[in-house]
Amino acid sequence: GQQLNQSPQSMFIQEGEDVSMNCTSSSIFNTWLWYKQDPGEGPVLLIALYKAGELTSNGRLTAQFGITRKDSFLNISASIPSDVGIYFCAGGNTGTASKLTFGTGTRLQVTL
Amino acid sequence: SAVISQKPSRDICQRGTSLTIQCQVDSQVTMMFWYRQQPGQSLTLIATANQGSEATYESGFVIDKFPISRPNLTFSTLTVSNMSPEDSSIYLCSVGGFNQPQHFGDGTRLSIL
Repeated sequence: GQQLNQSPQSMFIQEGEDVSMNCTSSSIFNTWLWYKQDPGEGPVLLIALYKAGELTSNGRLTAQFGITRKDSFLNISASIPSDVGIYFCAGGNTGTASKLTFGTGTRLQVTL
Repeated sequence: SAVISQKPSRDICQRGTSLTIQCQVDSQVTMMFWYRQQPGQSLTLIATANQGSEATYESGFVIDKFPISRPNLTFSTLTVSNMSPEDSSIYLCSVGGFNQPQHFGDGTRLSIL
């Protein structure tokens, strides 16, 4: 099935640095979600976006719903060691019974 | 958000056998979904579990291989049938509602020998 393209695929950063990652699609979505998955656990919802152009924050995390409806961005400010994990974007359309299409993932590793 | 419990959390099975995974939610939910996450990969939707009717399967997934039940608004099962090593994956249950984001259980880690 379709998957959304996320970049970068992986990144090593130092504690305190800011992080940016993005997600692109060939299809339009009316919902964009960002999840984080830690080893041995299921994905945890970070931010949900419902409107083109919307910018939403959750603590040190900020995400944006692209105006074209085909992309989304996630920024993490002042990274800390517990930010380590895999970040997934997911696109959905409420008209299709809320099914989600997931991105390929961005693996984040933070060094002290 | 709802508390989602999956059982078993992990299992090692012999090829040719079947395993049923349970997903229990602590509150009634409209939508329940089953995903597969192959090693080092992203999540792929297997099917939407419909209460009181047959599940809706995504392309590439069939009912004979992945039968799903959903007897009520808080419980669903996924069976992985006639398993082969290629079925070794994490199987995840998620819940949500129309216009509501999905939340996930911790998954079932399945290895087939």
